[in-house]
Amino acid sequence: EAQVTQNPRYLITVTGKKLTVTCSQNMNHEYMSWYRQDPGLGLRQIYYSMNVEVTDKGDVPEGYKVSRKEKRNFPLILESPSPNQTSLYFCASSVQSPYEQYFGPGTRLTVT
Amino acid sequence: KNEVEQSPQNLTAQEGEFITINCSYSVGISALHWLQQHPGGGIVSLFMLSSGKKKHGRLIATINIQEKHSSLHITASHPRDSAVYICAVSPYRNNNDMRFGAGTRLTVKP
Repeated sequence: EAQVTQNPRYLITVTGKKLTVTCSQNMNHEYMSWYRQDPGLGLRQIYYSMNVEVTDKGDVPEGYKVSRKEKRNFPLILESPSPNQTSLYFCASSVQSPYEQYFGPGTRLTVT
Repeated sequence: KNEVEQSPQNLTAQEGEFITINCSYSVGISALHWLQQHPGGGIVSLFMLSSGKKKHGRLIATINIQEKHSSLHITASHPRDSAVYICAVSPYRNNNDMRFGAGTRLTVKP
């Protein structure tokens, strides 16, 4: 089954404790992207990757890092999480951009 | 001002009604996307279009590039259509970007 998976789905952590949210797709897509969704602000793009080893900043990259060492994986790294990074995070992939995107199920992160 | 504006913010309809959700944008675009987010939170892509009109079942999406406007229509609405519908654009200046509207919350009552 074609899908985008994210782990963990739910995470509660404390300020400053490094964490990684994984994202993996099985569709051989070149393009992958991370978004955060906040009430009143909607979806905003954090980082995207056009292909292996090629990444770029989106609208709200501060406080986040990404890497794309393999085509299927695109982890999101929060080196020192802060409460303002409490949010619902989505990973998505597509053949290229702009094409139809396939979204992961979301990761709800709470930073206390 | 947001680059992508949707209206209405909230919409309540009776089952069977014809529904229209509007999206206006202020930048040149490579493509426009309509997404559906169900109450459980998952997001599904409904349409991607850069011109004209697309139809999938009871859903129709249109776009007018000159007027920078798109509409999503739902014919014969059903309670299972209740969801948040989100318009997003891939700007022409960088089509790897995605800019989102705030979403329209649709409730269809039986």
